[in-house]
Amino acid sequence: DTGVSQDPRHKITKRGQNVTFRCDPISEHNRLYWYRQTLGQGPEFLTYFQNEAQLEKSRLLSDRFSAERPKGSFSTLEIQRTEQGDSAMYLCASSLDTGNEKLFFGSGTQLSVL
Amino acid sequence: QKEVEQNSGPLSVPEGAIASLNCTYSDRGSQSFFWYRQYSGKSPELIMFIYSNGDKEDGRFTAQLNKASQYVSLLIRDSQPSDSATYLCAVNQGYQKVTFGTGTKLQVIP
Repeated sequence: DTGVSQDPRHKITKRGQNVTFRCDPISEHNRLYWYRQTLGQGPEFLTYFQNEAQLEKSRLLSDRFSAERPKGSFSTLEIQRTEQGDSAMYLCASSLDTGNEKLFFGSGTQLSVL
Repeated sequence: QKEVEQNSGPLSVPEGAIASLNCTYSDRGSQSFFWYRQYSGKSPELIMFIYSNGDKEDGRFTAQLNKASQYVSLLIRDSQPSDSATYLCAVNQGYQKVTFGTGTKLQVIP
């Protein structure tokens, strides 16, 4: 299967702990996106990368969130000092740089902060 | 004003009927428009995309775009119970950021 892969599928953590999620995009895709989704809402844009460059970050994203994409391959999303409000599904998507932004999503990481 | 607006539903249609899902967007510079289907507990899956004014058909699905009215719609003909899902409208605002609406929940009643 050469789809978008996310790890872990589920993460339960205590408030104040740091968590890190990983996303492996479709191999030939050079754009990678992170979204957050809560129940009953659509995916909320967090950030995106063109190869290894982080080109945009949502202004709603606090400084506790950081994302990297070293070497333009896989990406990591880290949340420091987690809060209960961080509980959500974190979705990764990738796309080809053709200008039409068809996103292919991974299965997501469900984060629960206790 | 939200960047992409959808009626959250639920929209209930009988099996075999046409389901009509609507979406409006605020940024006139938006260039491409997408419909994603999301089953409960699953991630979004792209089902239609449209870039130009008019209609685009793919099987039972038709996407309609009216840039002057900033309006996108999705028609599902001969609706099936397996079409029951949340349909997300998404808009590329021209600088590669793709913004999603809150989604419309569709229920197809057998």
